[in-house]
Amino acid sequence: SQTIHQWPATLVQPVGSPLSLECTVEGTSNPNLYWYRQAAGRGLQLLFYSVGIGQISSEVPQNLSASRPQDRQFILSSKKLLLSDSGFYLCAWSVGWHGYTFGSGTRLTVV
Amino acid sequence: GDSVTQMEGPVTLSEEAFLTINCTYTATGYPSLFWYVQYPGEGLQLLLKATKADDKGSNKGFEATYRKETTSFHLEKGSVQVSDSAVYFCALSDHGTGNQFYFGTGTSLTVIP
Repeated sequence: SQTIHQWPATLVQPVGSPLSLECTVEGTSNPNLYWYRQAAGRGLQLLFYSVGIGQISSEVPQNLSASRPQDRQFILSSKKLLLSDSGFYLCAWSVGWHGYTFGSGTRLTVV
Repeated sequence: GDSVTQMEGPVTLSEEAFLTINCTYTATGYPSLFWYVQYPGEGLQLLLKATKADDKGSNKGFEATYRKETTSFHLEKGSVQVSDSAVYFCALSDHGTGNQFYFGTGTSLTVIP
């Protein structure tokens, strides 16, 4: 079966520290992968998407970056976190137009 | 460009009340339409979908019909339960633009006993 793993579930980081969130997918090949952010009380903001290994498209300019070192692995990173980076980060995958499957999310609090 | 507009919340209903959450869309291609649900503290889960005009998606008592003439995909449930309290997102995937997904801003629903 197809599953998506996202970790950690919660994270508290000081301003200026680095970030690495990881997402892996099982049971499918060559998925489209996505990183979304959901700020408190707001909708979903697409940050990055990838249609293949090493292919990253950025939707919003910011101090975050994404990488896809393997077909089913998607990593969200930052060299120096800002307070405004706090939020709920969601990884998702899709194949064709059958809908997204979301991970369980990472709640990031920058202090 | 493509976009999704859904009714703003929050929505508060009594148990067993009828629910409608409005969603309209704009698309340049041939979209599939989706409703996602996010329970407190969790990620999003696919609730239902419809891939072409006049299709009706249904799941867990929720229904939505793909109306091309009104570009709408309103979510309905005849009798809501406390356990339906969540945030609901309308979304579209436009096959004409590489299957990128577009989400509405979400509608928060609280059902009170």
